Amino acid sequence: EADIYQTPRYLVIGTGKKITLECSQTMGHDKMYWYQQDPGMELHLIHYSYGVNSTEKGDLSSESTVSRIRTEHFPLTLESARPSHTSQYLCASSARTGVAEAFFGQGTRLTVV
Amino acid sequence: KNQVEQSPQSLIILEGKNCTLQCNYTVSPFSNLRWYKQDTGRGPVSLTIMTFSENTKSNGRYTATLDADTKQSSLHITASQLSDSASYICVVADRGSTLGRLYFGRGTQLTVWP
Repeated sequence: EADIYQTPRYLVIGTGKKITLECSQTMGHDKMYWYQQDPGMELHLIHYSYGVNSTEKGDLSSESTVSRIRTEHFPLTLESARPSHTSQYLCASSARTGVAEAFFGQGTRLTVV
Repeated sequence: KNQVEQSPQSLIILEGKNCTLQCNYTVSPFSNLRWYKQDTGRGPVSLTIMTFSENTKSNGRYTATLDADTKQSSLHITASQLSDSASYICVVADRGSTLGRLYFGRGTQLTVWP
């Protein structure tokens, strides 16, 4: 059982609101990731981190930002939500070395109205 | 361009039957290939991870094969159960970057009918 948690599971919010999606893991993993997934489509990497104070943008351009102040915590923030941000957001983590398995959270389904 | 293609896009089988899902990739340089199971509305869960030197790996009723020469993989499900209904995602990791980037297929949506 993976020890990686995302909150909230579901979020419906109005346009222009600021939101933060939470992701925490208790496995001591250095690497953490945020993916965006639309129905029937592949996961797209939007942010990743190698460790504390390390954040990088992924392949898919995103207006969101992330921070990594603690190893176990990797929150994603949207300063001003828009309907185009409606999607499923998945957080994942993995150990730094070797062929490390990536563990995924349950996801946050975001709907911006 | 690094890509992962899966087939079929969707599949319906009867409970108790076997099935095989396919994955072709162009990711290079190759590090490892993973199969994940994703239930609707949930995060993916790892089934198998195979490196270049591994041809086959099993996890219960799931058996994955890898042909690194032809860049193909398959996932065989034996004696399917209703709980096998899910999306099965092929993921290939490269070793060309420190990140060990993961490339995801779109998944095969499997439905098992009683």
